[in-house]
Amino acid sequence: GAGVSQTPSNKVTEKGKYVELRCDPISGHTALYWYRQSLGQGPEFLIYFQGTGAADDSGLPNDRFFAVRPEGSVSTLKIQRTERGDSAMYLCASSSTAASSYNEQFFGPGTRLTVL
Amino acid sequence: DQQVKQNSPSLSVQEGRISILNCDYTNSMFDYFLWYKKYPAEGPTFLISISSIKDKNEDGRFTVFLNKSAKHLSLHIVPSQPGDSAVYFCAASSGAGSYQLTFGKGTKLSVIP
Repeated sequence: GAGVSQTPSNKVTEKGKYVELRCDPISGHTALYWYRQSLGQGPEFLIYFQGTGAADDSGLPNDRFFAVRPEGSVSTLKIQRTERGDSAMYLCASSSTAASSYNEQFFGPGTRLTVL
Repeated sequence: DQQVKQNSPSLSVQEGRISILNCDYTNSMFDYFLWYKKYPAEGPTFLISISSIKDKNEDGRFTVFLNKSAKHLSLHIVPSQPGDSAVYFCAASSGAGSYQLTFGKGTKLSVIP
């Protein structure tokens, strides 16, 4: 079946602009995660959705970052007033949920954001 | 403060030999550990995992060893193949059903034919 998809694959924007990054999780996966990977670093957790609600947004760096998942499937990560330091690979992952087991997260290919 | 550390940024191994990738962690609450493999222009792909109640988990050519007292885990690949050349990330989580993975910086493995 289809994996996690992310669009666009690359996004170049200017400082101060607004961007939206989209994630389509694996069908049936109720959990969705956003991570950010800067050059030379591992992915860093941003936000986690269980269904439509953001269960944990503690990883969002500041209030310029916001994410939604209105129908419990597709999610959009929104960044306002972009800064050069926002340049990174933004990764989305999804997983099925089971209350008593560890759930493997399946990652998409990422969106590479470059802020000029 | 890095809670998951991969101290070797890169590793080169001859084809057919064993590759050993190491990972250390500092958070004693971590009880589930995963290895992901990442090729260029692709997202990380799950490789193998281990729960803290075990000290070894094997899947084909891949074996993960966990030493809880030392807060250390390692991934062994044997025999190594050129297609194994990728960046390998160690990740950890705490609690059953935990959702937040903490990743190391990764180790770039090159398997030389």
